[in-house]
Amino acid sequence: DAMVIQNPRYQVTQFGKPVTLSCSQTLNHNVMYWYQQKSSQAPKLLFHYYDKDFNNEADTPDNFQSRRPNTSFCFLDIRSPGLGDAAMYLCATSISRGGSQETQYFGPGTRLLVL
Amino acid sequence: AQSVAQPEDQVNVAEGNPLTVKCTYSVSGNPYLFWYVQYPNRGLQFLLKYITGDNLVKGSYGFEAEFNKSQTSFHLKKPSALVSDSALYFCAVRAVSTGGFKTIFGAGTRLFVKA
Repeated sequence: DAMVIQNPRYQVTQFGKPVTLSCSQTLNHNVMYWYQQKSSQAPKLLFHYYDKDFNNEADTPDNFQSRRPNTSFCFLDIRSPGLGDAAMYLCATSISRGGSQETQYFGPGTRLLVL
Repeated sequence: AQSVAQPEDQVNVAEGNPLTVKCTYSVSGNPYLFWYVQYPNRGLQFLLKYITGDNLVKGSYGFEAEFNKSQTSFHLKKPSALVSDSALYFCAVRAVSTGGFKTIFGAGTRLFVKA
């Protein structure tokens, strides 16, 4: 089945140790998003790729980076994780046709724990 | 400054009755508006978005939202509520901000649909 896959589902890292979260999709969608959702809080959009074009949100810290080597894969790199970066990280994809007709498909998320 | 408000922490409605979850926003320029839903113990899901065009946007699961520019509102509606609609609903607005685009989420409204 076509889907959005995130691995691993749980990731433990150490304070300050770089970590990479991965997302892959079989939907062939041209847009991929990364969201952060901390416990009991609203989500936060970190950035998205429109094809190969990277679109950073104005308030996303420099500590968060992303790579999209091809249509199917997108990575979230946290260069120096702090305790405050512990959260669920959600990847989503969509196919952009312009206008209001768009649906985002979410992966199951990766829960990051920083020790 | 850009902001979004969901004035009700909780909305209670009987099954079969119409439901409305309110959202108001404040931005400079034309906003992009979104609704998301988070079911208990499940991931985030996308309901609908408004960029331009018809003020009434239809989304997933029978939901719709109406963009009202004069009232700066984007209320989520459904003609007949189901018990399975019980969930946490987030409104979001994306607009140009200092340093680029910024997406802000509301704090969320918890919807309870009673049988």
